Amino acid sequence: DTAVSQTPKYLVTQMGNDKSIKCEQNLGHDTMYWYKQDSKKFLKIMFSYNNKELIINETVPNRFSPKSPDKAHLNLHINSLELGDSAVYFCASSRRGDGPETQYFGPGTRLLVL
Amino acid sequence: DQQVKQNSPSLSVQEGRISILNCDYTNSMFDYFLWYKKYPAEGPTFLISISSIKDKNEDGRFTVFLNKSAKHLSLHIVPSQPGDSAVYFCAASGWGSQGNLIFGKGTKLSVKP
Repeated sequence: DTAVSQTPKYLVTQMGNDKSIKCEQNLGHDTMYWYKQDSKKFLKIMFSYNNKELIINETVPNRFSPKSPDKAHLNLHINSLELGDSAVYFCASSRRGDGPETQYFGPGTRLLVL
Repeated sequence: DQQVKQNSPSLSVQEGRISILNCDYTNSMFDYFLWYKKYPAEGPTFLISISSIKDKNEDGRFTVFLNKSAKHLSLHIVPSQPGDSAVYFCAASGWGSQGNLIFGKGTKLSVKP
């Protein structure tokens, strides 16, 4: 059983298109995240979301928007794709509590914008 | 501005020997540190963590050491196995990071038979 899953695994699209990446977790976690790993291999937080608040990294363009239909899902919508959006996008989840949290990651979605 | 630094992009170790991966951080408000292992075309897999109230945490062949005064942590793998070959990411969180993980750039470990 995959704890955190993402679809699609690969996504090739043209500049200017709108696309979505789906993420699902079956861990019963209440907080989900999106990370971007760029060409320099840095993993950087884009969003964190639970049913109470959405925290957005201020460097993320507003073309990117997370949508959560329920606690187990956090999808990433990207409008007007640009060449620089090409990267690997990872979804993660954790249980938010009083103590430190361990995040569990999905397998990643490799996005290539042509 | 990198708050978590892994200054060695790669490390090569002989099977059976010790692997030591290092990580430095600049933010003294970090209070939780994690190591993730990543194989190509897969997501990062949680390996081991340590809270700032401890200086050592051990799990089987993996031990993480934390030196708060030096803002330094290290991951020891003993004995190293070829299956340990992967990219290892150090990550930190704490007050000011809003629960989010701040990652280092990773160190690619190669364990040779």
